[in-house]
Order: sequence, then C-alpha cells, then structure tokens
Amino acid sequence: KNQVEQSPQSLIILEGKNCTLQCNYTVSPFSNLRWYKQDTGRGPVSLTIMTFSENTKSNGRYTATLDADTKQSSLHITASQLSDSASYICVVANNAGNMLTFGGGTRLMVKP
Amino acid sequence: DTAVSQTPKYLVTQMGNDKSIKCEQNLGHDTMYWYKQDSKKFLKIMFSYNNKELIINETVPNRFSPKSPDKAHLNLHINSLELGDSAVYFCASSQSGGTGELFFGEGSRLTVL
Repeated sequence: KNQVEQSPQSLIILEGKNCTLQCNYTVSPFSNLRWYKQDTGRGPVSLTIMTFSENTKSNGRYTATLDADTKQSSLHITASQLSDSASYICVVANNAGNMLTFGGGTRLMVKP
Repeated sequence: DTAVSQTPKYLVTQMGNDKSIKCEQNLGHDTMYWYKQDSKKFLKIMFSYNNKELIINETVPNRFSPKSPDKAHLNLHINSLELGDSAVYFCASSQSGGTGELFFGEGSRLTVL
C-alpha cells in the first residue's frame, strides 16, 4: 500500500532557529516528491518538486533532500521567520506523476 | 490574477440541502481535481478530470457529482448534505505529463448543521 508518513506531527521553534521536517514513503514506482506549504485557511503552495535523480533542491530558505534508496526526504528551514508558521505537506507521485499520495503534514509554529 | 479560484469560500447549510462549489483555473491546464481536507488535515483526492473527462473517481458517495463544462471549470455539486460532509474542499489544477505541479485554490469551508 502506498503511504507517506511525516514527522514530527507538530513542532514549535523560536524565530531565527533552523528545523528539519521528515518524510518517509513507500510509494512505488516513484516519479517525484513534492513539499507543499499550507498557511492556515489557505490552499497548499508548492515549495519544491524533486525527481529520482535529484538529491537536493532549494527554494530560498527551504532546502529539500531526497534519498530514493532509503525512500526518505527532509525539508530544512533555515533562519525561521514567523511567516513560516504553517503546515508542511509531503506528497509523492507515482505512475509518471499522475497518482499522488499525501502525507498528514507537519504543523510548524514559529514563536517570537 | 488568481490562478485557481473557487467560490464560495465559506458555506453553512442545513442537513439535507443541496449545494454547489464552483472552480475555475486560468492557467491553461488540462487536468482539474477536487480534494477534501478533513479535520485531521489529511488531503484526499475525490475526482480528477482531464480535458473534461473523468479520470479518477475515488470512493465518494454518489451524492457528490462533479461537472466540467470546459477544461477551465470543474464544479462540485453535493446532494442531500450530511454532517460528515463538513470539511474544506480544495480545487486544484495541473498540466498532465512531466512533474504535473499542482496549483490549489484557496479552499471552500463547508459546514453542515
């Protein structure tokens, strides 16, 4: 069964600190892995998309890594800001990107 | 400028009523989706349309009927609303092939009393 598991479920950090969110998946065959940010009351917005051959991809202060061998990904947030408070959702695509499996998300709260 | 727009943003209604949520995308994408996000924040695919044709129809009660008049629109009609239908419904679109990045609307929060 295709599954995407994220950890931790929730996280509280102080402004300016770094953090790392984890994503493990069992989706097969693998096509690509995406990280989305969902602000409260808004729709998810794409941060990164990585294919099999990509190990790391950055989008500003967000850096995603992918280990396709161990089927793990991480999202590292550097120098966190209050606006980073949101849910971060890991999504894995199979079958050439047509079938998506969503993780349950990590809820991040950045405090001043 | 809104890429994927859905209306209404909030909808409060009584059990047993029929309601519709509309969605439009101006990105020129050929695939549109409806997702349901429950109270635990899991996003679950309900329907997927490619060029106005139904591609994915997950296990959803037949009280839910999607309608795609053209590839830029995908509306969701719900008959005989039940308490368990309360959720946030997201419309999304993508271009088929490649990475097929998803673009989501802002969501429609449905509350059934």
